[in-house]
Amino acid sequence: EVQLLESGGGLVQPGGSLRLSCAASGFTFSNSAMSWVRQAPGKGLEWVSAISDNGDTTYYADSVRGRFTISRDNSKNTLYLQMNSLRGEDTALYYCAKVIALEGEYYFDYWGQGTLVTVSA
Amino acid sequence: QSVLTQPPSASGTPGQRVTISCSGSSSNIGSDTVNWYQHLPGTAPKLLIYTNNQRPSGVPDRFSGSKSGTSASLAISGLQSEDEAVYYCAAWDDSLNGWVFGGGTKLTVL
Repeated sequence: EVQLLESGGGLVQPGGSLRLSCAASGFTFSNSAMSWVRQAPGKGLEWVSAISDNGDTTYYADSVRGRFTISRDNSKNTLYLQMNSLRGEDTALYYCAKVIALEGEYYFDYWGQGTLVTVSA
Repeated sequence: QSVLTQPPSASGTPGQRVTISCSGSSSNIGSDTVNWYQHLPGTAPKLLIYTNNQRPSGVPDRFSGSKSGTSASLAISGLQSEDEAVYYCAAWDDSLNGWVFGGGTKLTVL
């Protein structure tokens, strides 16, 4: 059974930093691209970032590029999101998602339960 | 403002058929496949339809997807109370080099 367990969320002041983790199990983590998707309070889903299976290629939404860094440790089956220069608009529930990335087919087949990040003074 | 456009709400009575539309552009739906997710409050989003019209194992065949040009739609037949949820369409965007989502459609079963 695929399991994705996010952690690391919490309350942080504007301008602060936070690192999210996503522990994966039930599949071959090193063979799967991974992604972060967030949902701000009362809003819809917003894609944040993605990383290839070996970590060589990363993708970012314009709203976080230059402030967030996605990474992974395949030896620990763990995905990370380093968030710097946090703003109020980064307040959201952050989901980790397993990615299916084949030619012409890109989707999230499994999601975690999410970890809440609140940016407030 | 979401890149993909969905109606904010939809409704139907038990047993009815409802459809939810998703409109995009040539850089996303027009050039890549569409996926649909079901999201109930407090739970992880669930993949409902992938590659325009494919259902993952375990998703009832009451759910179906289609795509034409730069638009897609999700149809739910034989509506049931447990179908009450928010439904999102999504696609890869070649111009943005990332995924884009619709704003979500809240489905109410009357």
